[in-house]
Amino acid sequence: AQSVSQHNHHVILSEAASLELGCNYSYGGTVNLFWYVQYPGQHLQLLLKYFSGDPLVKGIKGFEAEFIKSKFSFNLRKPSVQWSDTAEYFCAVKKGGSQGNLIFGKGTKLSVKP
Amino acid sequence: DTAVSQTPKYLVTQMGNDKSIKCEQNLGHDTMYWYKQDSKKFLKIMFSYNNKELIINETVPNRFSPKSPDKAHLNLHINSLELGDSAVYFCASSQDAGAPYFGPGTRLTVT
Repeated sequence: AQSVSQHNHHVILSEAASLELGCNYSYGGTVNLFWYVQYPGQHLQLLLKYFSGDPLVKGIKGFEAEFIKSKFSFNLRKPSVQWSDTAEYFCAVKKGGSQGNLIFGKGTKLSVKP
Repeated sequence: DTAVSQTPKYLVTQMGNDKSIKCEQNLGHDTMYWYKQDSKKFLKIMFSYNNKELIINETVPNRFSPKSPDKAHLNLHINSLELGDSAVYFCASSQDAGAPYFGPGTRLTVT
């Protein structure tokens, strides 16, 4: 069965610090990968997605993620965080080309200190 | 215009009651989902519907039943509510294998 691991439960950074959130998945076949963000009290919003092609994916709000197939990883990065990036971040995976389950990691809470 | 909408936003009810949560999407997507987010923020798929046919049914209690009157709607009906059903329920929709778009969520509190 597929699973998604997010290594950090809670990350605390100061503004302007660089961010990297880890995500690993377990599935040997083709996958579609996603990062979602959930601001306090709000719904999930798509940050970026990877289906195929360039493994370095750029998303909204200055976020990017790199798919490393050999490491089964899809880490999220941002060079300089802002206080407004404070939120919960979820990595998710789905079998490629499938309408099946979107499997979520347990989320990483990011707190950015002003 | 809201892409995926849910009603109500908050729902407080007593144990044993029956309640429904409505979901509508105006994106023309062909697949709709229900997810449950527990108190620890963990998201788990409950159901998905594709063209009015159930294609995934995870191991949720049969007190939960999805109902899809048409392609744009997927409602969630819950019978005999229990304390453990308290959570935030998110509706979502997607086209083919694309990224699901999520609704604003319904916070259900069972007392």
